Amino acid sequence: SAVISQKPSRDICQRGTSLTIQCQVDSQVTMMFWYRQQPGQSLTLIATANQGSEATYESGFVIDKFPISRPNLTFSTLTVSNMSPEDSSIYLCSVKYRDRNQETQYFGPGTRLLVL
Amino acid sequence: SQQGEEDPQALSIQEGENATMNCSYKTSINNLQWYRQNSGRGLVHLILIRSNEREKHSGRLRVTLDTSKKSSSLLITASRAADTASYFCATVITSGTYKYIFGTGTRLKVLA
Repeated sequence: SAVISQKPSRDICQRGTSLTIQCQVDSQVTMMFWYRQQPGQSLTLIATANQGSEATYESGFVIDKFPISRPNLTFSTLTVSNMSPEDSSIYLCSVKYRDRNQETQYFGPGTRLLVL
Repeated sequence: SQQGEEDPQALSIQEGENATMNCSYKTSINNLQWYRQNSGRGLVHLILIRSNEREKHSGRLRVTLDTSKKSSSLLITASRAADTASYFCATVITSGTYKYIFGTGTRLKVLA
């Protein structure tokens, strides 16, 4: 399986500021994903981050608000820009990984963000 | 919305009882996966069932898939307090783009 770490694990931020979340994987992976999970809700895909190309954003998410970097096959960052209280969520990094002849997604522990 | 629906939204049972959660989805799938999430942490992968499979077992977990009804169920037998968590189904769509679509989740509470 893939082991994924995220930093920070949690943060409290003031509105109008930006926060960059880091995601590190212990092996090289082609596809990385960023999700948002609002309180009490399910996961919503923000974007798919592939190395060497621009991230692909889902409907309702834009690059200006959630810029993503993918400098290599083991690392990615998600920035939440110009934050408002509505951005308070858990942000989860995930990777597509082939394990025992089946592909699945593994998730990082998440970053809990509270915007005041 | 492509998001799948899960029911019940919340389930409370006694330790030792079985817990059944259901998932319905909307599109054709390659496979369906179940995940567990403890206290708003990261998701843990539980089990994958392919679209050509009807039933799969893993320890105390039993998953069924009915592609004609676009539904799946997760059964946890002999539940334990440690099974208290949220459970999500995820369908994998690969037509056009590779994407996971998560269900709304079932919050399971197992009382000791």
